[in-house]
Amino acid sequence: GENVEQHPSTLSVQEGDSAVIKCTYSDSASNYFPWYKQELGKRPQLIIDIRSNVGEKKDQRIAVTLNKTAKHFSLHITETQPEDSAVYFCAASRSNFGNEKLTFGTGTRLTIIP
Amino acid sequence: DTEVTQTPKHLVMGMTNKKSLKCEQHMGHRAMYWYKQKAKKPPELMFVYSYEKLSINESVPSRFSPECPNSSLLNLHLHALQPEDSALYLCASSQTPTEYTQYFGPGTRLTVL
Repeated sequence: GENVEQHPSTLSVQEGDSAVIKCTYSDSASNYFPWYKQELGKRPQLIIDIRSNVGEKKDQRIAVTLNKTAKHFSLHITETQPEDSAVYFCAASRSNFGNEKLTFGTGTRLTIIP
Repeated sequence: DTEVTQTPKHLVMGMTNKKSLKCEQHMGHRAMYWYKQKAKKPPELMFVYSYEKLSINESVPSRFSPECPNSSLLNLHLHALQPEDSALYLCASSQTPTEYTQYFGPGTRLTVL
């Protein structure tokens, strides 16, 4: 089955600086890579996702890059703000019928230092 | 309506109790999921329903029994749970089983005494 590794497990960044979180996956058939943000006691919320036919996607301060050859993808947050503090999970899926399974990374606790 | 709702928000039960968790969505999604999340860990898939049929059971103990009465509703029936089953139980849905994006509900915080 799929295995997703995520690094670092904790990350502290000065407000205004950039944060980068990296994930690697094992199943070359995986074709969908979402990122979820989870604040304490709340639900995971999708913040950005990328499909395997795209190398990069950006949404305001958030971007995701995908390297299919190396089987890794990264989340980039620029101009970080205190409200970016949360746990971030990457995930991978090869969503064809019967394989609708998201495999999550172990999470990164991001702390933005004011 | 773009939301997945779950009830109750909190549940405390004894090991001999029977209780149910409820999940509802009115987005017309045809795939629904149950996850279990322990503190400081990622969500762990338990069950997947595709078009109201169970398509994935991740070897979950039989004390957890899922049910999908219709396309909007997903239940998780609990019986004879153990203290180690205490966790946040999350429901999610996606448009179809092959439409990737999953939207999560707020979860039910379950404590088993």
